Amino acid sequence: QQQVKQSPQSLIVQKGGISIINCAYENTAFDYFPWYQQFPGKGPALLIAIRPDVSEKKEGRFTISFNKSAKQFSLHIMDSQPGDSATYFCAASTGTYKYIFGTGTRLKVLA
Amino acid sequence: ETGVTQSPTHLIKTRGQQVTLRCSSQSGHNTVSWYQQALGQGPQFIFQYYREEENGRGNFPPRFSGLQFPNYSSELNVNALELDDSALYLCASSLFIRNTEAFFGQGTRLTVV
Repeated sequence: QQQVKQSPQSLIVQKGGISIINCAYENTAFDYFPWYQQFPGKGPALLIAIRPDVSEKKEGRFTISFNKSAKQFSLHIMDSQPGDSATYFCAASTGTYKYIFGTGTRLKVLA
Repeated sequence: ETGVTQSPTHLIKTRGQQVTLRCSSQSGHNTVSWYQQALGQGPQFIFQYYREEENGRGNFPPRFSGLQFPNYSSELNVNALELDDSALYLCASSLFIRNTEAFFGQGTRLTVV
């Protein structure tokens, strides 16, 4: 029940296309859902986060869609660029305690 | 780049040895969490420190221990190293506020041989 399931494991998108990464959870006590971007040899960097009282949040080219009833949330990267090629992790938490991370999606954007 | 710094960046240890990893939290942050990230996996929560005390622990054995200092910096200690301890160890700093963002350092790559 503490898991966050992330898909797909890897994704290849053409430059300018839309990248979509999905996550699902079971624990309804989760109330904070961040997305992190990680480049090889670096720590995860916070991209965008959402709380379950909203269904969508947009920051630049990055959008989180949240479906509370389905216990699913997704990251959309619009106008994907080669510089977006990285591993993306969704996460969930209950308050200040700990993040439960998904298994990651390796995104490659072709030039 | 975040203000979270970790040292060292890389480390090679022999099985059975002990290791200490260090983390300086971002200015103004009072909470430090440690994560272990095995190759190709998501980070796994080890424990969190707030006000110099452990505030929650993940599924890690007692040979993983930590400290937080008055300036909010932190150490992760691992005793009796095992080959499976080889991983990227990440420190994240945050405020002790519900649903606040956590900012990660670049990590320490530990290799146990």
